[in-house]
Amino acid sequence: DVKVTQSSRYLVKRTGEKVFLECVQDMDHENMFWYRQDPGLGLRLIYFSYDVKMKEKGDIPEGYSVSREKKERFSLILESASTNQTSMYLCASRGGDISPGGYTFGSGTRLTVV
Amino acid sequence: AQSVTQPDIHITVSEGASLELRCNYSYGATPYLFWYVQSPGQGLQLLLKYFSGDTLVQGIKGFEAEFKRSQSSFNLRKPSVHWSDAAEYFCAVGAMASSYKLIFGSGTRLLVRP
Repeated sequence: DVKVTQSSRYLVKRTGEKVFLECVQDMDHENMFWYRQDPGLGLRLIYFSYDVKMKEKGDIPEGYSVSREKKERFSLILESASTNQTSMYLCASRGGDISPGGYTFGSGTRLTVV
Repeated sequence: AQSVTQPDIHITVSEGASLELRCNYSYGATPYLFWYVQSPGQGLQLLLKYFSGDTLVQGIKGFEAEFKRSQSSFNLRKPSVHWSDAAEYFCAVGAMASSYKLIFGSGTRLLVRP
């Protein structure tokens, strides 16, 4: 089975800090995604990447950036954390075949910005 | 634009009772449809998916879903709910043109009465 590993389950950061959320997948998947999950809003796509060094903005990219230097690793960066970025962050990956198989999700990182 | 609506925020059923979770989507062409489940503190797990063919699809854990094009719906069903089914359920839609991107509904939280 594909594994998607998010390095932290819980993080507490201060306003203004630069925050890195790391995600690693072990199945050589081309596509990787970062979502944030908030009550009543479901999952909203922040950024995705379809290849190394390639990235595209999702629906809510403001305040975030990403990095994909290696195929297996996709990092989400909060340049200057703010309290409205307190949320659950979910990473996912998917293979590149033409019919979209389901995504495989990590267990999530619950980030609190104080 | 693609969208997914899950009209029920919470549903409570008794253990052993049948379950139906509603999902309506908006998309101009044939969509790819998914149901995911999220247990507390966990990432999302794929229950089932529809791409084409038989409109009744079977998934894991005894779940099934039926694609009804005329109603733009993809409702999830289970004939007899177990206490372990208590979780949050997300419907998602993907498109051929952007098959690496899924749009999620806001989720339905299922509570199971003993």
